[in-house]
Amino acid sequence: NAGVTQTPKFRILKIGQSMTLQCTQDMNHNYMYWYRQDPGMGLKLIYYSVGAGITDKGEVPNGYNVSRSTTEDFPLRLELAAPSQTSVYFCARFSGRDHEQYFGPGTRLTVT
Amino acid sequence: DQQVKQNSPSLSVQEGRISILNCDYTNSMFDYFLWYKKYPAEGPTFLISISSIKDKNEDGRFTVFLNKSAKHLSLHIVPSQPGDSAVYFCAASARGLRGTSYGKLTFGQGTILTVHP
Repeated sequence: NAGVTQTPKFRILKIGQSMTLQCTQDMNHNYMYWYRQDPGMGLKLIYYSVGAGITDKGEVPNGYNVSRSTTEDFPLRLELAAPSQTSVYFCARFSGRDHEQYFGPGTRLTVT
Repeated sequence: DQQVKQNSPSLSVQEGRISILNCDYTNSMFDYFLWYKKYPAEGPTFLISISSIKDKNEDGRFTVFLNKSAKHLSLHIVPSQPGDSAVYFCAASARGLRGTSYGKLTFGQGTILTVHP
């Protein structure tokens, strides 16, 4: 898992419910990212963080929130789940070289 | 506006032959390009990259070519093997106003490569 752990692996939510997707890295790197991948599409950046306490929006941040209280953890929060948030969510950390990122195994989320 | 495009949704190749995957981009600020490989139910894994100051980078069976004037890059896999069957994503990174991209990547839609034995 390239040092990136994501939980849960799968989740089904009802419309309007909330949940937190967990992401933990074991390499103590400052830069971390959240992406979503819709069927047949590429990954789109939701939020990223360049260190504890520092986060910023990516391309598709609406409906999500993040926090970064420690270097290791970068949780993604969905407050009011909508069917449009049905997707596979990937957390990643910067490798430290050549713009390369290491990705976690993903969380498959279905909102019905 | 899709800044990174992979116009071929799929590619089928015979084992031992060459696989060529293509990628086009529109943002002139992109200065680093990467290829990722993804198997079902797994996260993407890094394959090979190229800086905009180069036009070719090789790593074993994998070679990436960059044509900046055409805003086009390609990934060549020679020889192709059945284990190469996966989805391949092209990704790009652009320097921001402060001279750093913070590693943010923009991905293409992906190309499904199938290598037949």
